[in-house]
Amino acid sequence: RKEVEQDPGPFNVPEGATVAFNCTYSNSASQSFFWYRQDCRKEPKLLMSVYSSGNEDGRFTAQLNRASQYISLLIRDSKLSDSATYLCVVNRYSGGGADGLTFGKGTHLIIQP
Amino acid sequence: NAGVTQTPKFRILKIGQSMTLQCTQDMNHNYMYWYRQDPGMGLKLIYYSVGAGITDKGEVPNGYNVSRSTTEDFPLRLELAAPSQTSVYFCASSYSGGTKNIQYFGAGTRLSVL
Repeated sequence: RKEVEQDPGPFNVPEGATVAFNCTYSNSASQSFFWYRQDCRKEPKLLMSVYSSGNEDGRFTAQLNRASQYISLLIRDSKLSDSATYLCVVNRYSGGGADGLTFGKGTHLIIQP
Repeated sequence: NAGVTQTPKFRILKIGQSMTLQCTQDMNHNYMYWYRQDPGMGLKLIYYSVGAGITDKGEVPNGYNVSRSTTEDFPLRLELAAPSQTSVYFCASSYSGGTKNIQYFGAGTRLSVL
């Protein structure tokens, strides 16, 4: 299994729909998890951290399943502005290590009017 | 608040030329990173630094060098550019490592080596 694996898409979704992505990771000792958003030809930006109990930020909900080693991102009531590539990021360190982040290749989302 | 600033935004190099990609941050972050992103691929870590005077190799360091003389600046040097170094380069910084390693990225440098 690759370190961090995502379905590249593209996911073509009508505006207002709900869409969900999954991401799987190979290192069972991984300690922290994030979703980043990357717009076309722009830099990645943190969307949200993913907590063990799951967490929500407005229309976005992130879930972590440690037993199955996957992370999910749910977007409700999708907007045209949600069109982007969503990067799953996994940190294998629990201590102060700086080089532990592994970035997935991203899932491309296109919201259609 | 500028955040992480990279220059130049675009550059075309001939094979064998050298150049320095500049990166500066104004968030007083100790940790800084250089990544490359090839089309359709995830970010790959080239070098990183946990503070002034300290640098370490990442996953793909060959063909690159870095220095960290100040907290703010982390330049990336390409010696003897090769077509395989055609990529988008991102500099990033973070307040800490470990589980709270939330990174802030610059806008990137698009480099073509012809």
